[in-house]
Amino acid sequence: GENVEQHPSTLSVQEGDSAVIKCTYSDSASNYFPWYKQELGKGPQLIIDIRSNVGEKKDQRIAVTLNKTAKHFSLHITETQPEDSAVYFCAAKGGSYIPTFGRGTSLIVHP
Amino acid sequence: DVKVTQSSRYLVKRTGEKVFLECVQDMDHENMFWYRQDPGLGLRLIYFSYDVKMKEKGDIPEGYSVSREKKERFSLILESASTNQTSMYLCASSFKQSLTTSAEAFFGQGTRLTVV
Repeated sequence: GENVEQHPSTLSVQEGDSAVIKCTYSDSASNYFPWYKQELGKGPQLIIDIRSNVGEKKDQRIAVTLNKTAKHFSLHITETQPEDSAVYFCAAKGGSYIPTFGRGTSLIVHP
Repeated sequence: DVKVTQSSRYLVKRTGEKVFLECVQDMDHENMFWYRQDPGLGLRLIYFSYDVKMKEKGDIPEGYSVSREKKERFSLILESASTNQTSMYLCASSFKQSLTTSAEAFFGQGTRLTVV
């Protein structure tokens, strides 16, 4: 089955800096790569996703890049703000019903 | 606005009790999932269902069962609660993936279960 590795487990940055979270996957059939943000006391919520026919996608301060050859994808957050502090999960999904999640990254943005 | 609603935010149960966690979604999604979230372990899939009365085991099904009698409702059952089942439980739903439907999974707010 699919295996998704996510790094780092904790990321601490100063407000205004950029943050990068990286994930690798094992199944070359995976074709959908979402990123979820989980704020304290809430369930995860989709913030951006990318399909395998696209190399990069951007939405305001967040972007995701995908390298299918190397089987890795990354989340980039620019100009971080304290409200970006949360746990972020990457996931990979192929033809099955089930996304496989990474273990999560706790992002802390210091004012 | 998609909504996945879990019946309880916090639950405290005694060892050996039978526990029911309920989840309802209002988007007519075919797929529903139960995850367990523990620090450092991420989201681990317990069970999922891709249709009414259909269920498949996930990565950690031991000690759990599920029921899906209606499309909108997916219940997680702890047959005999144990202290090692103290955790955050998350329900999610999604469309069956196709060219025309989104693959996004929508999560409930979670149920923090403590077994004493």
